[in-house]
Amino acid sequence: KNEVEQSPQNLTAQEGEFITINCSYSVGISALHWLQQHPGGGIVSLFMLSSGKKKHGRLIATINIQEKHSSLHITASHPRDSAVYICAVEKTSGSRLTFGEGTQLTVNP
Amino acid sequence: DGGITQSPKYLFRKEGQNVTLSCEQNLNHDAMYWYRQDPGQGLRLIYYSQIVNDFQKGDIAEGYSVSREKKESFPLTVTSAQKNPTAFYLCASSAGTGGFEQYFGPGTRLTVT
Repeated sequence: KNEVEQSPQNLTAQEGEFITINCSYSVGISALHWLQQHPGGGIVSLFMLSSGKKKHGRLIATINIQEKHSSLHITASHPRDSAVYICAVEKTSGSRLTFGEGTQLTVNP
Repeated sequence: DGGITQSPKYLFRKEGQNVTLSCEQNLNHDAMYWYRQDPGQGLRLIYYSQIVNDFQKGDIAEGYSVSREKKESFPLTVTSAQKNPTAFYLCASSAGTGGFEQYFGPGTRLTVT
């Protein structure tokens, strides 16, 4: 079993819908990262969080350390949000990232 | 502009040849990383370097080698010993290790036939 599990693997939405992507992990962590990978392959960091909630524009990331779970929410989704969203954790035992397999999001106009 | 560059974007090689992928950053970051991405799998760490002249093996280092002679450069050599070298390779850097955001390059897609 992977230490970082994401769900769903694939998600199709209509423009304007509220989207939630989930990440569960089975190890102790010092931080959790949400990344976005565009169709061309480039990756950008969206959030790094160790507790609570962060918001940037239409994106919101939350984490529940006790339940070992994080969610990424996109409000008022747009076709330009179509990308792969990747969850990664920094284990407390080291600083390296362990990655989930990603969630492919497609937002249709 | 500050950032990470990888070159080339696409690379084709014959089986049995070594090939070196370039990664350069002008962010003045101490730490640099090489990841491999295969379809349907998460990114996997090949090598990382926390400081110039030092580097450590990641989870899948066999068949790869790196050097870190300059702070801004972290080239990856894919040797003929790597059994399945065809993949998408991503380089990243961060200001430090532990609690720092990683910045990624655009990636190099390597095809070996």
